[in-house]
Amino acid sequence: NAGVTQTPKFQVLKTGQSMTLQCAQDMNHNSMYWYRQDPGMGLRLIYYSASEGTTDKGEVPNGYNVSRLNKREFSLRLESAAPSQTSVYFCASLHSVWQETQYFGPGTRLLVL
Amino acid sequence: TQLLEQSPQFLSIQEGENLTVYCNSSSVFSSLQWYRQEPGEGPVLLVTVVTGGEVKKLKRLTFQFGDARKDSSLHITAAQTGDTGLYLCAGAKSSGNTGKLIFGQGTTLQVKP
Repeated sequence: NAGVTQTPKFQVLKTGQSMTLQCAQDMNHNSMYWYRQDPGMGLRLIYYSASEGTTDKGEVPNGYNVSRLNKREFSLRLESAAPSQTSVYFCASLHSVWQETQYFGPGTRLLVL
Repeated sequence: TQLLEQSPQFLSIQEGENLTVYCNSSSVFSSLQWYRQEPGEGPVLLVTVVTGGEVKKLKRLTFQFGDARKDSSLHITAAQTGDTGLYLCAGAKSSGNTGKLIFGQGTTLQVKP
């Protein structure tokens, strides 16, 4: 039982390049979330998927898109990376919206030059 | 808009000292969670408080939820070097049932030997 896994662990992009951050969970959780973490800002929600087949914007969705590929996988795509998207990205999952414990992956560190 | 204000943002103390971290908001939350994050890892849940006035203890850590469910505190007694890390509070709103959390900015705790 690996919990929440994220790939890649670290990535360097040039401005304008695109990339997809992958997230998978093996806990049969229904809800999944993408956050970014910046110094002094805590974690800010980018997008979430309350259940398979649904996605919704969070607090800071601009410049990102998501895909809930199946119940296990939730990907985050940067179509045209900008230096402001340099951050640490965390994926989290939740068994159901009626429960409260979110389980986080180890994070992806992204540097946009 | 930061709905949850954590203070202090940084705390450096000697081993054996006591400390309190505060998490304040003008909004009411259905529950409030405290996470601890080690460098290079994702946040890990410490505790969830649900009832106004609730107090929970986890060894040397004491968590309290305000009577009005707008604020919370984390008190650590006789801090140890192993307590070093980033502490995050996160609030869940009762409306919408999306499982979304609002995070505070975090408190970086450094416990020196």
